[in-house]
Amino acid sequence: SQQGEEDPQALSIQEGENATMNCSYKTSINNLQWYRQNSGRGLVHLILIRSNEREKHSGRLRVTLDTSKKSSSLLITASRAADTASYFCATDALDTDKLIFGTGTRLQVFP
Amino acid sequence: ETGVTQTPRHLVMGMTNKKSLKCEQHLGHNAMYWYKQSAKKPLELMFVYNFKEQTENNSVPSRFSPECPNSSHLFLHLHTLQPEDSALYLCASSQEIRMNTEAFFGQGTRLTVV
Repeated sequence: SQQGEEDPQALSIQEGENATMNCSYKTSINNLQWYRQNSGRGLVHLILIRSNEREKHSGRLRVTLDTSKKSSSLLITASRAADTASYFCATDALDTDKLIFGTGTRLQVFP
Repeated sequence: ETGVTQTPRHLVMGMTNKKSLKCEQHLGHNAMYWYKQSAKKPLELMFVYNFKEQTENNSVPSRFSPECPNSSHLFLHLHTLQPEDSALYLCASSQEIRMNTEAFFGQGTRLTVV
């Protein structure tokens, strides 16, 4: 399976701290995306990083991609209580049209 | 608001019922998807449609029947479901099927089978 796996499964931090989530996947990819999901709602796209990119920034988000290790990380800096949500990585493999999601990291940010 | 609308938001149905989930997008996207999200499991891709044609059926039981009458609408027809089919069903769309662009998700339909 090409499914991604996020690590850790759950993360609790205080407001103002940084949150780092990791994603590992199994096959070669076109790109990797990160999504956020508030409880019981749809997913919202955060950032896309292509296979030829190593790092990307968007506001307080920083994503890295290491294709040699088949891994990615999402860093949220200066976290806020409103960042509380589940975060998923999703990969678009080279040999398929599927967007496959990982298991997610549940982030809790305490005020 | 992502531009993808799903109805109903909540649905309770008996195992002998027939119901349909609806998804609508007016983003001009050509690809639409159904995902199932169960507790403590990753999102499972169910079906993929590209220009109204089904291109992927991820070994989904026949009690789930998708329909895509045009590139803006996607349905999931449900019949004789099982309690284990209770889940959040998410519809998504993207500009094209080779996904170098983001997917836009609806808010989901929370389905409970009793």
